[in-house]
Amino acid sequence: GESVGLHLPTLSVQEGDNSIINCAYSNSASDYFIWYKQESGKGPQFIIDIRSNMDKRQGQRVTVLLNKTVKHLSLQIAATQPGDSAVYFCAEVRYGGGKLIFGQGTELSVKP
Amino acid sequence: GAGVSQSPRYKVAKRGQDVALRCDPISGHVSLFWYQQALGQGPEFLTYFQNEAQLDKSGLPSDRFFAERPEGSVSTLKIQRTQQEDSAVYLCASSLDGGSEKLFFGSGTQLSVL
Repeated sequence: GESVGLHLPTLSVQEGDNSIINCAYSNSASDYFIWYKQESGKGPQFIIDIRSNMDKRQGQRVTVLLNKTVKHLSLQIAATQPGDSAVYFCAEVRYGGGKLIFGQGTELSVKP
Repeated sequence: GAGVSQSPRYKVAKRGQDVALRCDPISGHVSLFWYQQALGQGPEFLTYFQNEAQLDKSGLPSDRFFAERPEGSVSTLKIQRTQQEDSAVYLCASSLDGGSEKLFFGSGTQLSVL
């Protein structure tokens, strides 16, 4: 079936390093992609989004890259901090749809 | 309140018991979503309201699951005759406009069915 999935379930980085979290999607009709951060015991929190007509979008310390050719999405976090430790999900919204399709998630662990 | 509020925070039910989970969305938000999140998994869509209208309930796993939003604000997710496989975190989210852009999630209700 169609799905949004992640390449790596866990990622461990040193504080101050850059982090890259990857995501593959299967539906080329997807219109909109979102990265969420979920801390333990909390709901997902919006980080950054990107539309399918864009290749790159930057926020504060975060950048999302979209490669439609290979249906790949990535989240880059600059100067990773301990507070960035969480599970990160990519999610897909399909044109005309009202729901998000989430991937399985990548757990980011930041070592001091 | 400032965010999406869900209650109870934790619910333990005996198998076969009925449960009701409440969601208070952000005031004025038109859209309301329910998601189910199993341990170690991403949230999975259950149902979606725009105001009081339930526009999509395709994700409800069985007819034991029922959701309502009678006045277009507070929503209740009801699960009848709970089963062990219903154990999960149930997340509610709301957005200002119709659709899934800029969803704000609550902290969820963790349901454990024994």
